[in-house]
Amino acid sequence: DTEVTQTPKHLVMGMTNKKSLKCEQHMGHRAMYWYKQKAKKPPELMFVYSYEKLSINESVPSRFSPECPNSSLLNLHLHALQPEDSALYLCASSLGPGGGEQYFGPGTRLTVT
Amino acid sequence: EDQVTQSPEALRLQEGESSSLNCSYTVSGLRGLFWYRQDPGKGPEFLFTLYSAGEEKEKERLKATLTKKESFLHITAPKPEDSATYLCAVQARTGNQFYFGTGTSLTVIP
Repeated sequence: DTEVTQTPKHLVMGMTNKKSLKCEQHMGHRAMYWYKQKAKKPPELMFVYSYEKLSINESVPSRFSPECPNSSLLNLHLHALQPEDSALYLCASSLGPGGGEQYFGPGTRLTVT
Repeated sequence: EDQVTQSPEALRLQEGESSSLNCSYTVSGLRGLFWYRQDPGKGPEFLFTLYSAGEEKEKERLKATLTKKESFLHITAPKPEDSATYLCAVQARTGNQFYFGTGTSLTVIP
């Protein structure tokens, strides 16, 4: 099973709201990723967790706050977002941080009004 | 600087008309090159991993090949359901980040 699940599928939020995106995998993968994807662009890396520790933060604004409660779960907490943050947010996982294919979830379509 | 370039940006094929997509890369030591298929509004679906020049992988109508500077995704006798954006990504030996190309949008016309 190579499934990564993400909830919710769609999210509409105002600029003053606080919301969270959730990602789950049960493949025993020890690296998990958050990506942001705008229309007709490739995925853009935001964060990498290796063995539940944040290993890469690609200079993402603090209004995005990642959390890895355990090896199967990854959250992305959102606060005071801007309309330009509207995008498809993708979660991915890989067996380990050292390399190998990443498996992506279906994404959360976020619209900030 | 690590870089990935895909061409063409868009490709329209008649059903059954075979063609190839290109992924050119520069990376300081290749750990792996990955091909993904992405349907609109969905997450990328993993297709292939290639690790060394000369390697080939096949899956149904798709065949991926790798040289020291580029990879090709060959599509044989495509069907309309093959319509999607095909993304190439490379991973360097140092670090675990993927560098994605901008993708090729493939449309197969019945």
